[in-house]
Amino acid sequence: QKEVEQDPGPLSVPEGAIVSLNCTYSNSAFQYFMWYRQYSRKGPELLMYTYSSGNKEDGRFTAQVDKSSKYISLFIRDSQPSDSATYLCAMSPSSGGYQKVTFGTGTKLQVIP
Amino acid sequence: EAGVTQSPTHLIKTRGQQATLRCSPISGHTSVYWYQQALGLGLQFLLWYDEGEERNRGNFPPRFSGRQFPNYSSELNVNALELEDSALYLCASSTGQGWGNQPQHFGDGTRLSIL
Repeated sequence: QKEVEQDPGPLSVPEGAIVSLNCTYSNSAFQYFMWYRQYSRKGPELLMYTYSSGNKEDGRFTAQVDKSSKYISLFIRDSQPSDSATYLCAMSPSSGGYQKVTFGTGTKLQVIP
Repeated sequence: EAGVTQSPTHLIKTRGQQATLRCSPISGHTSVYWYQQALGLGLQFLLWYDEGEERNRGNFPPRFSGRQFPNYSSELNVNALELEDSALYLCASSTGQGWGNQPQHFGDGTRLSIL
């Protein structure tokens, strides 16, 4: 079993829809949770960063962490064609350091105008 | 501000050859990280350099090596190339240990293809 599981998609939604992207994990030591967006032929860019459980909102994006279920989500409201990309979840134990980050394989999202 | 730049964009090699990939971090960033992104796999941590020293390496064989220069740019060298080395190699930079409020910034990668 992989430490981090992420549905590869692709996920196709109409413009304006609410998108839910999810990851499950098995390592209870994970404390830091991140979401990256990766456009085609580009490097990943950090979207959201949360520590421990709870919600974090940034514009149209909301990140949720449920440590009891070992489940994290990224919600995108009012999705736009420009949101079409691959979304990577990533997580790390409390000792931190990017060298200890485990990435999901990514979910490809397509927002159709 | 210029972002992280990587060269070349694409690199085609044959089995057994050696490949050199280059990365220039954002100005002021001292840490450089290398990752492998193979098809169907998440980013796999390869190497971390900070202030010219190798600080940590991932679970990769010794034929993956690199260095960081005094200007903080970095090279990744892959010797005795194998077919499974075909992947996108990403470089990221950050300030210092780069954690918490010091996010990583990724380059657009070098696509390495082994024939």
